[in-house]
Amino acid sequence: SQQGEEDPQALSIQEGENATMNCSYKTSINNLQWYRQNSGRGLVHLILIRSNEREKHSGRLRVTLDTSKKSSSLLITASRAADTASYFCATSGGSYIPTFGRGTSLIVHP
Amino acid sequence: SQTIHQWPATLVQPVGSPLSLECTVEGTSNPNLYWYRQAAGRGLQLLFYSVGIGQISSEVPQNLSASRPQDRQFILSSKKLLLSDSGFYLCASEALAGEVGEQYFGPGTRLTVT
Repeated sequence: SQQGEEDPQALSIQEGENATMNCSYKTSINNLQWYRQNSGRGLVHLILIRSNEREKHSGRLRVTLDTSKKSSSLLITASRAADTASYFCATSGGSYIPTFGRGTSLIVHP
Repeated sequence: SQTIHQWPATLVQPVGSPLSLECTVEGTSNPNLYWYRQAAGRGLQLLFYSVGIGQISSEVPQNLSASRPQDRQFILSSKKLLLSDSGFYLCASEALAGEVGEQYFGPGTRLTVT
């Protein structure tokens, strides 16, 4: 399975700190995506990184991809209470249909 | 950008009753559409996807079915609900103007089978 697995399962930090979440997967991929889900809501797409890319930025988000280690990380800098949510990685292979991990629950304390 | 509508937002149904969840999409044409189920504290399980009207692919054998009667309408159904069908159901549409695989999600339907 190319399902991504996020680590840690839960993360609790103070406002202003950086939050780092990791995603590991087992088979080769075409791209990897990160999504955010507020409690009881749908998912929101954050960023997509292709297999031939190593790093992408979007605002306070930084995503890295290491295909040799089959892993990715999502860094949120200068976190805010509003960043409290669950974060999911989703990997896509030949079919480009994303397979989602179980997510990291992030709590940012004001 | 696309807007995904889902209804109802919450639903409580007894075991053995039928189910119909509807999803409609605005802002795009001929999208790839997806139904996912999310158990509490878990990731998303892909149930069905559709690449066009009347074209449905099932990923998980179960007592659920899906139909796509119109280009931007995707329906999830069951003739008889089981307790195990409880969960959070999400409809998604592929962002055809974006990268392949990038998806827009609806707000979800919380289904409780009692």
